[in-house]
Amino acid sequence: NAGVTQTPKFQVLKTGQSMTLQCAQDMNHEYMSWYRQDPGMGLRLIHYSVGAGITDQGEVPNGYNVSRSTTEDFPLRLLSAAPSQTSVYFCASSYQGLAGPSTDTQYFGPGTRLTVL
Amino acid sequence: GENVEQHPSTLSVQEGDSAVIKCTYSDSASNYFPWYKQELGKGPQLIIDIRSNVGEKKDQRIAVTLNKTAKHFSLHITETQPEDSAVYFCAASIYYGGSQGNLIFGKGTKLSVKP
Repeated sequence: NAGVTQTPKFQVLKTGQSMTLQCAQDMNHEYMSWYRQDPGMGLRLIHYSVGAGITDQGEVPNGYNVSRSTTEDFPLRLLSAAPSQTSVYFCASSYQGLAGPSTDTQYFGPGTRLTVL
Repeated sequence: GENVEQHPSTLSVQEGDSAVIKCTYSDSASNYFPWYKQELGKGPQLIIDIRSNVGEKKDQRIAVTLNKTAKHFSLHITETQPEDSAVYFCAASIYYGGSQGNLIFGKGTKLSVKP
């Protein structure tokens, strides 16, 4: 299994540009989420999904859109990038089902470092 | 909502010493507490977790303790090694049914182990 993969690894945007951060997992996980990590702020939840077709907002959703058309993919869209969105973005996934707590470990991808000029 | 405080923000120890990182949470309904290790340029990796029906859990040199009454939990690393140097994050989540609730993270502790 490749686990959780993210592309691109690095990206530089100009203010106002749009882009999509890609996230995919091959573990058949129902739960997927996006976090941003800023210096001294820890990881903050942007959006999450409990299954295909179901998404919801996290702690800092403004400026970001998500969709979940398949179990495997959970892209994060920036419609009009702003300098405040300069950050490292992590996608994570975990199993959500009937197997019990031992399978609920949340696995993180390697991250995308985004700079908005 | 849940709020997680983590201390200290930086911690420097000599190789072989023990390291302790402490976290407090605000929501008494939180019942799942994972700890993540993040190495430079990588994503966080789960190293140990504990649920609210357990007071302590050990895995080799790593242990986590939970005090539900005081709403705090701690990570203990014994016999530290240079490869333990990383940023450590605690988190709290409400676990309901068969799913894991959203994680609220502390702000992290940068641990440096000096040879």
